Amino acid sequence: QVQLVQSGAEVKKPGASVKVSCKASGYAFTGFYIHWVRQAPGQGLEWMGWINPNGGGTNYAQKFQGRVTMTRDTSISTAYMEVSGLNSDDTAVYFCARPRWTCGGDNCYGHWLDPWGQGTLVTVSS
Amino acid sequence: EIVMTQSPATLSVSPGESATLSCRATQSVSSNLAWYQQKPGQAPRLLIYGASTRATDIPARFSGSGSGTEFTLTISSLQSEDFAVYYCQQYNNWPPRELTFGGGTKVEIK
Repeated sequence: QVQLVQSGAEVKKPGASVKVSCKASGYAFTGFYIHWVRQAPGQGLEWMGWINPNGGGTNYAQKFQGRVTMTRDTSISTAYMEVSGLNSDDTAVYFCARPRWTCGGDNCYGHWLDPWGQGTLVTVSS
Repeated sequence: EIVMTQSPATLSVSPGESATLSCRATQSVSSNLAWYQQKPGQAPRLLIYGASTRATDIPARFSGSGSGTEFTLTISSLQSEDFAVYYCQQYNNWPPRELTFGGGTKVEIK
């Protein structure tokens, strides 16, 4: 079955960087983008961006441009999301998710997200 | 940027009753809207896409409606496992560009 398994929890100091991994299985990794979404404690979902494993193209939410880098290693079907210059506001659970879409005629519609990884808690604390 | 607004923030409902959740977009997203359910400590789960199509294995008591800027998720005859937070998400660009989520509605036991 399609599965996304993320790396474990991290504790980082302010100013540091963190890199979270998302290993895909059960499907052709290069056939689907990977999206990253974060959720601060007690807050809602915040979309961060996507990476296209086929070629490595990326698209980041404006808020995260310059501070977030998404990469992938197709040989091990794994996507990565790195956040630099961490501060306390970056304390959150970070999720990866695979999108789905539909096409009819000349038009396509998407992405909605299914499935999701289990989430990775990143805590930023001095 | 398309902003999604959900209301109410919290909905208190008794088991067996129905719940109606709203999601509004600042500009038309046609039917390009999804709904998710999230329980504490878990990842979100896809419920609805295309504004009204239930995802695989989602019970028929969940239904979505609307288009343009106004959307509704209805949960009929709430079960104990339905008490959770619900999010809407728009995906109005192809090729995909930016996704945006609503702030969520918490459905709690009355």
